[in-house]
Amino acid sequence: DAKTTQPTSMDCAEGRAANLPCNHSTISGNEYVYWYRQIHSQGPQYIIHGLKNNETNEMASLIITEDRKSSTLILPHATLRDTAVYYCIVRVVYSGGGADGLTFGKGTHLIIQP
Amino acid sequence: DGGITQSPKYLFRKEGQNVTLSCEQNLNHDAMYWYRQDPGQGLRLIYYSQIVNDFQKGDIAEGYSVSREKKESFPLTVTSAQKNPTAFYLCASSINSEGRASYEQYFGPGTRLTVT
Repeated sequence: DAKTTQPTSMDCAEGRAANLPCNHSTISGNEYVYWYRQIHSQGPQYIIHGLKNNETNEMASLIITEDRKSSTLILPHATLRDTAVYYCIVRVVYSGGGADGLTFGKGTHLIIQP
Repeated sequence: DGGITQSPKYLFRKEGQNVTLSCEQNLNHDAMYWYRQDPGQGLRLIYYSQIVNDFQKGDIAEGYSVSREKKESFPLTVTSAQKNPTAFYLCASSINSEGRASYEQYFGPGTRLTVT
């Protein structure tokens, strides 16, 4: 799987949009971009994923650049409960079955300030 | 409610003892995974299983063993051969069906193992 680069930490004011960048310049055509987050001492939580189109769900939006070498996770109205470590992961997805593990880096520690 | 349970939340053992961590899921997921997390680090894959009675080593399988006798259960044994067993252990599961284009993983709450 391709490697990703994320800032170590970021601050965001409560109520503002939090924009978390991720670089994945070596991504392959069959690799998806996934985002997970981990609140302190809990298991990671799936947020969103995409291949090449922008995606939105009830938690966040994912913006992927046209060349797919980078992406941004957007939390539109950050709350204190969004303070967590956010992981950007790229991985091949096998539509014929054969799911394997995820490769986690150190992620971005997002701190929401009151 | 459907989900993944891991027990206990905290576990203490003496060095040289084997210990088994429990992971159960009622999501009817085919695939299950074990990860290890050390302070300030990301998760590292220990073992994973795509179907019952089959499992594969991950990146750091040495000193660990698993079994997958039932779809719902994937216990992890930390053996005395594991040199640094103190860590946060996380279990996850996902659908693994042919034709499905994505495999988001659902994680349990974790077990924090301390070996002294």
